[in-house]
Amino acid sequence: KQEVTQIPAALSVPEGENLVLNCSFTDSAIYNLQWFRQDPGKGLTSLLLIQSSQREQTSGRLNASLDKSSGRSTLYIAASQPGDSATYLCAVASGGSNYKLTFGKGTLLTVNP
Amino acid sequence: GAVVSQHPSRVICKSGTSVKIECRSLDFQATTMFWYRQFPKQSLMLMATSNEGSKATYEQGVEKDKFLINHASLTLSTLTVTSAHPEDSSFYICSAPQPVRDGYTFGSGTRLTVV
Repeated sequence: KQEVTQIPAALSVPEGENLVLNCSFTDSAIYNLQWFRQDPGKGLTSLLLIQSSQREQTSGRLNASLDKSSGRSTLYIAASQPGDSATYLCAVASGGSNYKLTFGKGTLLTVNP
Repeated sequence: GAVVSQHPSRVICKSGTSVKIECRSLDFQATTMFWYRQFPKQSLMLMATSNEGSKATYEQGVEKDKFLINHASLTLSTLTVTSAHPEDSSFYICSAPQPVRDGYTFGSGTRLTVV
């Protein structure tokens, strides 16, 4: 059974700081890995998707890496802004052709002005 | 891009009543819809997978008679929480595979409070 762990559970940083969020998963047989952002009481916004054959993806100030063999992914946020404050969720797609998403509990990020 | 519209966003109901949550794919056809539940400070947990024209597949531990799922068309999937109890209070969210590329698009979620 796939299990996804995110560390830290919460993070508070001053504006402008670069930061790294961590995600680990127990079964390396994945189809892809996604990072999402969730604002309080809201749905999920997809940030980056990394296919199992890829090592990283970048979008603006965000960079996500994937090391499938070690079961790890990181989300790097450069020059953080107060608007980045949200919960960041890591989700792993696995399970064959009808793959399912297994989510971590998320990292609550607060960027202080 | 692909959008899934979820309604209502928030609902309060009395114990014993039923509540229906709708998810519509606005600009694409969703043959599959995933339904998740999220308790405070917990992960999103997959409850069931609905497929247009066939019965839904429920995850272990999810009561199919309590959480009725209907995928009536290629653009509409519904989740009905029957005989709701306070312990059913949670955040429910749907998701559909994106039509063109890998990944999923999510609804905006429904906050259910049973009093």
